[in-house]
Amino acid sequence: DQQVKQNSPSLSVQEGRISILNCDYTNSMFDYFLWYKKYPAEGPTFLISISSIKDKNEDGRFTVFLNKSAKHLSLHIVPSQPGDSAVYFCAAPRGAGNMLTFGGGTRLMVKP
Amino acid sequence: DVKVTQSSRYLVKRTGEKVFLECVQDMDHENMFWYRQDPGLGLRLIYFSYDVKMKEKGDIPEGYSVSREKKERFSLILESASTNQTSMYLCASSFLIYEQYFGPGTRLTVT
Repeated sequence: DQQVKQNSPSLSVQEGRISILNCDYTNSMFDYFLWYKKYPAEGPTFLISISSIKDKNEDGRFTVFLNKSAKHLSLHIVPSQPGDSAVYFCAAPRGAGNMLTFGGGTRLMVKP
Repeated sequence: DVKVTQSSRYLVKRTGEKVFLECVQDMDHENMFWYRQDPGLGLRLIYFSYDVKMKEKGDIPEGYSVSREKKERFSLILESASTNQTSMYLCASSFLIYEQYFGPGTRLTVT
């Protein structure tokens, strides 16, 4: 049972526009969420995170929004750049926090 | 900068072979992890280790084993490789809870 889901396997956006990547979760005990970015032939790298005590966290062009009642989070990238083209994974810690549960990923393509 | 290295970027093995994937981290992290990445399935945890000689099964441990004899090194072993183990294998390490640092991955093909 996937507790973290990314229902859009791919997303295509024009350069300069907003990219919105979505993530849903089922476990109401999750209290922290992370987004990772992965380029081909490289390992994922941490991008941004949010604690459940917040509903928004911003870092430059990247903003993550959390809607706890809907068990939904989204990553906004504004403005999108071709270098943002990658696979994005959302994740949530479980157990003692050592382990992460990942969503299936969304491949973002930003067209010049 | 944290550095996590994996012994091979690409590997081709035959069905039934024993396969060793090695991972080394240079930041004295307690926790180390092995994942496999398959399209649409995200990253699935195979095993993790929170200390030397300690290991815990993840979500898909069947067909795999691990070894952690030194803090900086975590090995994944496929005792008898099968074609359904063809995948991208990713190693990660972490010190604090939550944030993990990943190696570049090993693309394993079993024929």
